[in-house]
Amino acid sequence: AQSVAQPEDQVNVAEGNPLTVKCTYSVSGNPYLFWYVQYPNRGLQFLLKYITGDNLVKGSYGFEAEFNKSQTSFHLKKPSALVSDSALYFCAVRDRNTGFQKLVFGTGTRLLVSP
Amino acid sequence: EAQVTQNPRYLITVTGKKLTVTCSQNMNHEYMSWYRQDPGLGLRQIYYSMNVEVTDKGDVPEGYKVSRKEKRNFPLILESPSPNQTSLYFCASGILRGGGEKLFFGSGTQLSVL
Repeated sequence: AQSVAQPEDQVNVAEGNPLTVKCTYSVSGNPYLFWYVQYPNRGLQFLLKYITGDNLVKGSYGFEAEFNKSQTSFHLKKPSALVSDSALYFCAVRDRNTGFQKLVFGTGTRLLVSP
Repeated sequence: EAQVTQNPRYLITVTGKKLTVTCSQNMNHEYMSWYRQDPGLGLRQIYYSMNVEVTDKGDVPEGYKVSRKEKRNFPLILESPSPNQTSLYFCASGILRGGGEKLFFGSGTQLSVL
């Protein structure tokens, strides 16, 4: 079975500091990994994905994520946080050998960036 | 503009009163899905549809129905709502392309069942 864990309910960071939102996953085969962001009163928006290739994936709004197969992790990072980055972030995974419909989401991590 | 449109945005109802939440997408996507979002539980899939007239259960289908008579529409039906169905609901759509998928979400429907 596929699963994803986001160990932190909330991450607090000061504006201008680097941020990391953690995600670990479990699949039986090779993973497809995703990050989505949810701003207040909005639906989720796609940020970035890892399918294959370079372990460092760059996405929207200056975010990037690093795929680490040995640690089964896909942490979301940004070098310098903005107040406007405050939102709810979801990691998602599916096994490469399963279908699109098997995408599993984590429980979400709330990022709070203070001025 | 490419979008997934859900209606209504907010809905308060009483136990047992049938309701429908509509979802429409204008991107000609084959795949559509419904999720519910609850605190501490993240997004859980209710039903999904791979194409017109093809629907299947997700992880939490009890108490819900769906239909896919047209490619653009995927309504969620609660025949007899109960308070444990109070939740934030999201519709999503996407193209079925191995590894290339990207889901587009509606703005959500906040449902309260009294």
